[in-house]
Amino acid sequence: SQQGEEDPQALSIQEGENATMNCSYKTSINNLQWYRQNSGRGLVHLILIRSNEREKHSGRLRVTLDTSKKSSSLLITASRAADTASYFCAYYIGNQFYFGTGTSLTVIP
Amino acid sequence: SQTIHQWPATLVQPVGSPLSLECTVEGTSNPNLYWYRQAAGRGLQLLFYSVGIGQISSEVPQNLSASRPQDRQFILSSKKLLLSDSGFYLCAWGGEAGGMGGEQFFGPGTRLTVL
Repeated sequence: SQQGEEDPQALSIQEGENATMNCSYKTSINNLQWYRQNSGRGLVHLILIRSNEREKHSGRLRVTLDTSKKSSSLLITASRAADTASYFCAYYIGNQFYFGTGTSLTVIP
Repeated sequence: SQTIHQWPATLVQPVGSPLSLECTVEGTSNPNLYWYRQAAGRGLQLLFYSVGIGQISSEVPQNLSASRPQDRQFILSSKKLLLSDSGFYLCAWGGEAGGMGGEQFFGPGTRLTVL
């Protein structure tokens, strides 16, 4: 399977702390994306990083990509209770779009 | 702006009954369309994708089928549901055909429970 692996599976932090989640994939990709899913809802696109980029920022989000290690990380700084959700990495291989296994983040107020 | 609709939002069906889930997209033409299934507490599994009318690719063998009768309509079906078909079904579109690599936009999902 080309499904990506994410760790940790679950993460619980206090409001204000930083949250880091990691994604590993198995084959060369053109870009990697991160999505957020609130419980029982559809997914929302957060950020896209291209294979020729090493780091990208968007608000409180910072994404890194290491193509040599086939891995990416998502850092959420100064977390808020509203950041509680599941986070997924995702990428195309040809026409097919694969998601990682997801990290469930709980931010405790 | 683009909008993606899915219905119904929830569905409870007996084993052996048929299924039809519908997804429609507004505000874009010739989109790539995708059906995913998400089991409870798990990631998304790609079921089908379509790059055009009548063009369906299946990712995994299963009890389900998909059809694309119109450019912006994608239907997920089954003739006889199994217990293992329970899950959260998400439809998405991913940019124009041939323009792969962009973000995907998701519908609100359908929660299917097979009893």
